[in-house]
Amino acid sequence: AQSVTQLDSQVPVFEEAPVELRCNYSSSVSVYLFWYVQYPNQGLQLLLKYLSGSTLVKGINGFEAEFNKSQTSFHLRKPSVHISDTAEYFCAARSYNTDKLIFGTGTRLQVFP
Amino acid sequence: GAVVSQHPSWVICKSGTSVKIECRSLDFQATTMFWYRQFPKQSLMLMATSNEGSKATYEQGVEKDKFLINHASLTLSTLTVTSAHPEDSSFYICSARTSGSTDTQYFGPGTRLTVL
Repeated sequence: AQSVTQLDSQVPVFEEAPVELRCNYSSSVSVYLFWYVQYPNQGLQLLLKYLSGSTLVKGINGFEAEFNKSQTSFHLRKPSVHISDTAEYFCAARSYNTDKLIFGTGTRLQVFP
Repeated sequence: GAVVSQHPSWVICKSGTSVKIECRSLDFQATTMFWYRQFPKQSLMLMATSNEGSKATYEQGVEKDKFLINHASLTLSTLTVTSAHPEDSSFYICSARTSGSTDTQYFGPGTRLTVL
């Protein structure tokens, strides 16, 4: 069965510091991978996605993620965070042969001044 | 970019009444729409997938007679929570996928339902 694991439920960090949000997936077939951001009382906004090709994917707001097939990981990184990056971040995966997006449990990124 | 709207953004209703939530794709045609439910501080759980002009496909454990989904056009899907009870209180989020894309879902802003 397919699953997505986000080990860190909360990540506190100071402004302008780098951050990494971890995501691991398990699947018996090839997958597409996504990172979404959710601000309070809002829907999800796509940050970036990996479909194929280059394993380093750049997204909006200065975020990037690297697909590592051997480690089945898709960690999200930003070299310098802002207060406005405070939000919930969800990693998601979808198998090639299905419509269904499987979400991780989310990581709350809190940026302090 | 692709924009998805939901209406209402929040609703409070009495137990036993029905509530309809609309999901619209504003600048693209969505052949497939998805309905999710999100409990506080938890992840999104897929409830059902709807394709325009056909019956929705419900996930295991989701009551299709309680959560009625209609996808009558390429820009509109509705979710009706029938005979709502307090345990149905949740954040409902829809997403839509463009007909020319099989990879990206665009999410609506969500609807907060509170059943008293």
